[in-house]
Amino acid sequence: AQKITQTQPGMFVQEKEAVTLDCTYDTSDPSYGLFWYKQPSSGEMIFLIYQGSYDQQNATEGRYSLNFQKARKSANLVISASQLGDSAMYFCAMSLPGNMLTFGGGTRLMVKP
Amino acid sequence: GAVVSQHPSRVICKSGTSVKIECRSLDFQATTMFWYRQFPKQSLMLMATSNEGSKATYEQGVEKDKFLINHASLTLSTLTVTSAHPEDSSFYICSAETSGILGNEQFFGPGTRLTVL
Repeated sequence: AQKITQTQPGMFVQEKEAVTLDCTYDTSDPSYGLFWYKQPSSGEMIFLIYQGSYDQQNATEGRYSLNFQKARKSANLVISASQLGDSAMYFCAMSLPGNMLTFGGGTRLMVKP
Repeated sequence: GAVVSQHPSRVICKSGTSVKIECRSLDFQATTMFWYRQFPKQSLMLMATSNEGSKATYEQGVEKDKFLINHASLTLSTLTVTSAHPEDSSFYICSAETSGILGNEQFFGPGTRLTVL
């Protein structure tokens, strides 16, 4: 069975600094997808970035990049130039072919002015 | 982009009443919709997978007689919490699946906050 682990329950970062949110996963299936979502206090789930297990390059989307270390089974999210609006819960999730998403426990990011 | 709506966004009800939550894909057809539950300060937990025209598949530990799911069309799935109790108070989020550049993508609704008094 697949498993997603986020070891940081909470993180602080200074505005304009970069921050890395950790995510490790466990699966024996060679084909999988890794997602990061942002959940502000309003509750909606906002898709940030996706990495496929066969993708050769790390995914990037604006200020978000995914540090994909396949051998270590890690998919850390890097947010550059943090903004106050980045304060939210962040969830890492994994999908297998034909399967639903499995979410990690989440990390609460707080950006300090 | 793909938009998923949920109604109502917030509901407060008395213990013992039933509450229906609607999940709609507004600009695409979704053969599969998912229902999640999120307790405060916790992650999303999948409750059930809903396929249009067939019975929902429930995750272990989720009572199918308590959480009735109806996926009547390709754009609508409903979750009915029957005889709600305070312990059912939670944030319920649906997602709808469609084929996209990421393969089968899930688009999330804005969620419904249920409070049972």
